Amino acid sequence: EAGVTQSPTHLIKTRGQQATLRCSPISGHTSVYWYQQALGLGLQFLLWYDEGEERNRGNFPPRFSGRQFPNYSSELNVNALELEDSALYLCASSLFSGGYEQYFGPGTRLTVT
Amino acid sequence: GENVEQHPSTLSVQEGDSAVIKCTYSDSASNYFPWYKQELGKRPQLIIDIRSNVGEKKDQRIAVTLNKTAKHFSLHITETQPEDSAVYFCAASIGTGGSYIPTFGRGTSLIVHP
Repeated sequence: EAGVTQSPTHLIKTRGQQATLRCSPISGHTSVYWYQQALGLGLQFLLWYDEGEERNRGNFPPRFSGRQFPNYSSELNVNALELEDSALYLCASSLFSGGYEQYFGPGTRLTVT
Repeated sequence: GENVEQHPSTLSVQEGDSAVIKCTYSDSASNYFPWYKQELGKRPQLIIDIRSNVGEKKDQRIAVTLNKTAKHFSLHITETQPEDSAVYFCAASIGTGGSYIPTFGRGTSLIVHP
């Protein structure tokens, strides 16, 4: 069984630009979660998508947004990039809505210069 | 919202020793407590979890205990091995009403010296 995949592995952007990160969940998983992992801060919850809808979002500004496609893959968009957006962005999937066990992807390292 | 405190931030042990990582949470409605292991450059992986109707759970060399009254839970690793070296994250979440949002601790860097 293939795990959660994310692309790209690394992304370098300049301040003010937009970034798009992609995630493919484990086959059969309908829920996708996005987290930001900044150095020393653990994992901060960003967004939760299930069945194509945004179910919840963390304490992040509106320039962090995303969507989930009919095949349950998801993308995270970050507009007007700021230097502090530099972090590892992790995607996780779970078997069903509100599923307890989450399986993480390898992450996308976003660097904003 | 939920707040999770994790201690210590760094833990250094000798191979064969035991390691204990502790977390406290603030929301008494939290009912699911997973632990993740993240090796350097790799993705977090669920290693063990516990639900609020259980006080202790074991899986080979790892165990988790939960004290709901005191709102704290701990990860215990016995007979540590160098491959246990990683960052460990605890989390607490409320898994009801279809709104499952885990709050993570800041992580503990475990170093096991051969």
